[in-house]
Amino acid sequence: GQQLNQSPQSMFIQEGEDVSMNCTSSSIFNTWLWYKQDPGEGPVLLIALYKAGELTSNGRLTAQFGITRKDSFLNISASIPSDVGIYFCAGQLVGTYKYIFGTGTRLKVLA
Amino acid sequence: EPEVTQTPSHQVTQMGQEVILRCVPISNHLYFYWYRQILGQKVEFLVSFYNNEISEKSEIFDDQFSVERPDGSNFTLKIRSTKLEDSAMYFCASSAGQGINEQYFGPGTRLTVT
Repeated sequence: GQQLNQSPQSMFIQEGEDVSMNCTSSSIFNTWLWYKQDPGEGPVLLIALYKAGELTSNGRLTAQFGITRKDSFLNISASIPSDVGIYFCAGQLVGTYKYIFGTGTRLKVLA
Repeated sequence: EPEVTQTPSHQVTQMGQEVILRCVPISNHLYFYWYRQILGQKVEFLVSFYNNEISEKSEIFDDQFSVERPDGSNFTLKIRSTKLEDSAMYFCASSAGQGINEQYFGPGTRLTVT
């Protein structure tokens, strides 16, 4: 089946540092969504990407839709303690209404 | 701000029983989804629903599962003859459609099958 490989699996960083995570696949997507999930809660949408090459920002977050349509990255600048959580990418498979989620990046910020 | 709501927040059921998980999507959204997340694992797509019919389903969504939009506001997931491995968080999501694919998730229902 289709898979989204997300890396890194986990990160421990100091407050104020920048963070980068990415998702790659052998499948092609026509939408990328990035989510943050806190324990016991539903995923919260951070950024949506619709076009290959698109670069979109939301405050300290920046995400890009890869040119090949098979990958995407998310950057967080100047991390703060509340950035702690699990970040997921999700891609909509071309020609379907099916979304595949990445395996998640667990972020821990040390004050 | 409009949000997706789900009830109950936690459902405990015995193996073999049927459960119905309920969702109220955002009111002007046209596409509805159910996802499952086993503890500590990634979110898994179950089904998408549009115009009163299933538009896509995953291999997980077998005959044990069904979805329904019984009225203008609710969207339900029925799981028949529950199994221990059905224990998970179940999330409902909705999107506006018409080229707007951002999905907004509800808080989830934790299903525990004993």
